[in-house]
Amino acid sequence: DQQVKQNSPSLSVQEGRISILNCDYTNSMFDYFLWYKKYPAEGPTFLISISSIKDKNEDGRFTVFLNKSAKHLSLHIVPSQPGDSAVYFCAARTLSNSGYALNFGKGTSLLVTP
Amino acid sequence: GAGVSQSPRYKVAKRGQDVALRCDPISGHVSLFWYQQALGQGPEFLTYFQNEAQLDKSGLPSDRFFAERPEGSVSTLKIQRTQQEDSAVYLCASSADTTQRGYTFGSGTRLTVV
Repeated sequence: DQQVKQNSPSLSVQEGRISILNCDYTNSMFDYFLWYKKYPAEGPTFLISISSIKDKNEDGRFTVFLNKSAKHLSLHIVPSQPGDSAVYFCAARTLSNSGYALNFGKGTSLLVTP
Repeated sequence: GAGVSQSPRYKVAKRGQDVALRCDPISGHVSLFWYQQALGQGPEFLTYFQNEAQLDKSGLPSDRFFAERPEGSVSTLKIQRTQQEDSAVYLCASSADTTQRGYTFGSGTRLTVV
């Protein structure tokens, strides 16, 4: 069963505007959330993360918001640039004695048009 | 090396053939992960190593899948008697420790079983 859901397979935004990518999760034991960005034929690259004890983390043009009561997080990119066009994966982590594994959503393909 | 290196980049196998996929993690990285990414899906956890110890193999889909990391560095994912449903991109990732910045993925091996 999918514990991390990205319900929008694709999103198109004009350059300079805000991109908002959404993610929902079901497992309240997740302690850390991450966003990865993936270009074709490359592996995912880490973008930004947030601990479950926070509700916002900002890094330059990227901000992640976490709403624990709604089990929802979002990634805001502002201003959006054509180079941001990629697939964005939301991932959530649980920590166990054997280390940790990430649960990924299916991804949202972002297209930023000039 | 500077990044996680995976080989081969592409592999075509006939159904029933055995395959071996190699991962060279970032030098000194203790943790190593294998993920499977089917078309249109997010990466799914397969197995986790801490040095040479395989601490979690709960994600391996069947006993045809086997992973090893005998000297705590290079890892090999072996799939025996490949089937069409094994067709996917196999991603390897490594991290120095339980870092909050996620881990570094390789570019993956795209396996196609015909």
